[in-house]
Amino acid sequence: DAGVIQSPRHEVTEMGQEVTLRCKPISGHDYLFWYRQTMMRGLELLIYFNNNVPIDDSGMPEDRFSAKMPNASFSTLKIQPSEPRDSAVYFCASSLAGVGSASYNEQFFGPGTRLTVL
Amino acid sequence: DQQVKQNSPSLSVQEGRISILNCDYTNSMFDYFLWYKKYPAEGPTFLISISSIKDKNEDGRFTVFLNKSAKHLSLHIVPSQPGDSAVYFCAASPNRDDKIIFGKGTRLHILP
Repeated sequence: DAGVIQSPRHEVTEMGQEVTLRCKPISGHDYLFWYRQTMMRGLELLIYFNNNVPIDDSGMPEDRFSAKMPNASFSTLKIQPSEPRDSAVYFCASSLAGVGSASYNEQFFGPGTRLTVL
Repeated sequence: DQQVKQNSPSLSVQEGRISILNCDYTNSMFDYFLWYKKYPAEGPTFLISISSIKDKNEDGRFTVFLNKSAKHLSLHIVPSQPGDSAVYFCAASPNRDDKIIFGKGTRLHILP
């Protein structure tokens, strides 16, 4: 398995532009998570999905952020308009619940997208 | 308001010795705890977990200890190896099927 795939790996954009981050979870995983990592706040959960349905988006910082999961193999995180304070590394993770001793807390992370907003 | 705290941003340990990474939490509802390891330019990877019904869980060179009364857990790595140099995140959750809260991480340097 290729693991969780994220694209792009790096994104540099100017303030006010729309940014779309993409994620392909591990095949068969039914939970998908979006995290943001910054020096100040560490690793924060933004939103998570179960079976393509958003379950908890309380971590989404503002209305400028939106996430979708149109099918089991694809999710996007969109920032519109982007601001310099959105600069961070964004991680997507997936997990499989209810199989043996597995728990969806044992998540598999992608390599992240480093976003720089100028 | 940090619910999971890793008070040491970094730690240096001689190769072959024991590495001890500490974590404190404030939410008494947390019942399930995890450690993740992260190398540069990669995502975190799950390392080991422990449920509150236990006070110790061991997996090879890695052991996690939980002290619920003190709201404290620690990760022991024995013996430490060069490949253990990474950032270690402590995380906690109210149960095995709820969202998890991460600490800010401790960077471990294993010295030759």
